[in-house]
Amino acid sequence: EAGVAQSPRYKIIEKRQSVAFWCNPISGHATLYWYQQILGQGPKLLIQFQNNGVVDDSQLPKDRFSAERLKGVDSTLKIQPAKLEDSAVYLCASSLGGVRRMETQYFGPGTRLLVL
Amino acid sequence: DAKTTQPTSMDCAEGRAANLPCNHSTISGNEYVYWYRQIHSQGPQYIIHGLKNNETNEMASLIITEDRKSSTLILPHATLRDTAVYYCIPEGKYGNKLVFGAGTILRVKS
Repeated sequence: EAGVAQSPRYKIIEKRQSVAFWCNPISGHATLYWYQQILGQGPKLLIQFQNNGVVDDSQLPKDRFSAERLKGVDSTLKIQPAKLEDSAVYLCASSLGGVRRMETQYFGPGTRLLVL
Repeated sequence: DAKTTQPTSMDCAEGRAANLPCNHSTISGNEYVYWYRQIHSQGPQYIIHGLKNNETNEMASLIITEDRKSSTLILPHATLRDTAVYYCIPEGKYGNKLVFGAGTILRVKS
């Protein structure tokens, strides 16, 4: 079974530029998550999708971050414009489909972003 | 959500059992405890979860105290590849949402 795919693996940009990350979840997984992991900290949930609808985006900085999952499969996370403090690893995860109870999440390798 | 307390770091000799404790004294009666780990430069990986009874799978064992206020993850024969950050995550009241703390850095040494 193929795992969660993410691209690119690394990205370096200047502040105020824009950047986009792509995620393809495990086939058949209805729920998709984006996490931000700053160096030395645990991952923090940015946004959770159930199919193509948003379940939780309470910690997404909506003035600069946006995410979509138009067809309920793959997803894109965008930052525009980027700030120095956005330097982090962006992790995508997916799970079968439960929203009400916790279930196992499968993580991709992450995209490491450096903003200069 | 239930709060957790884990040691910042632990060392373990290769081939020996690694016992990683977690205190989750505010967990509710029907909330599971999940354990994940994150090897350097990789995404987190699910290990095991439990509610009341002890659990075992091919990766680890999970011992949960009778009052459910703490648990211990046991890697029976630690290898160098088990060096990672281990996260204890109680199921919260907000559905399918993982809230990561700082975790425990486990260093397995030869």
